[in-house]
Amino acid sequence: QVQLVESGGGVVQPGGSLRLSCSTSGFIFSYHGMDWVRQAPGKGLEWVAFIRYDGSNIFYRDSVKGRFTISRDNSKNTLYLQMNSLRVEDTGVYYCAKRGRVQIAGVTAHYYYYYMDVWGKGITVTVSS
Amino acid sequence: DIVMTQSPLSLPVTPGEPAFISCRSSQSLLHSNGYNYLDWYLQKPGQSPQPLIYLGSDRASGVSDRFNGSGSGTDFTLKLSRVEAEDVGVYYCMQALQTPITFGQGTRLEIK
Repeated sequence: QVQLVESGGGVVQPGGSLRLSCSTSGFIFSYHGMDWVRQAPGKGLEWVAFIRYDGSNIFYRDSVKGRFTISRDNSKNTLYLQMNSLRVEDTGVYYCAKRGRVQIAGVTAHYYYYYMDVWGKGITVTVSS
Repeated sequence: DIVMTQSPLSLPVTPGEPAFISCRSSQSLLHSNGYNYLDWYLQKPGQSPQPLIYLGSDRASGVSDRFNGSGSGTDFTLKLSRVEAEDVGVYYCMQALQTPITFGQGTRLEIK
């Protein structure tokens, strides 16, 4: 079955760095876009970044631009999130999520819609002095 | 950024009764292709989120037909018919029309 397993979390001081990994199995990784979503302690979900199936399109939320880098290695079926210049407010559980594709019939053409159909169990990142 | 606002934030429900969660967006989520780019997710206690509804009203694979999504533009509703104990958790709406992708604050459903 489809599995996403995050790793690389831990405790780091403000200004430090961490690299998260999301190891995947059970599907053709190179066919699917991927996201990172985080959740601060006791708070709601916050989208962090997205990478297209081939890495050609990448998007970030403003608060992590220039500090975080999303990447993927399709030969290793693995997604990454390099996090630099970490801040206390980056603390939380980080989830990787796979984008599933559904075909939809538009008014004049067919389209594809991609939603987060499988999520990992998450990995905790704590930024504290 | 598109702001997503859910109500209520807390929802106590008697088993067997229906439940309704509202989600409003600060901009229309209607894409030029005629579909609303609005998804619903459920995060059960101690678990990661799981998809319920995509494109406003289509159930994700394996989701019970007790879950129904409706609405268009800026106003959306998730209806749970006949709430069961296993439905407990936090429900989030999410817009996928533009980045940054944004979520509602979450609605915590509990059993009375």
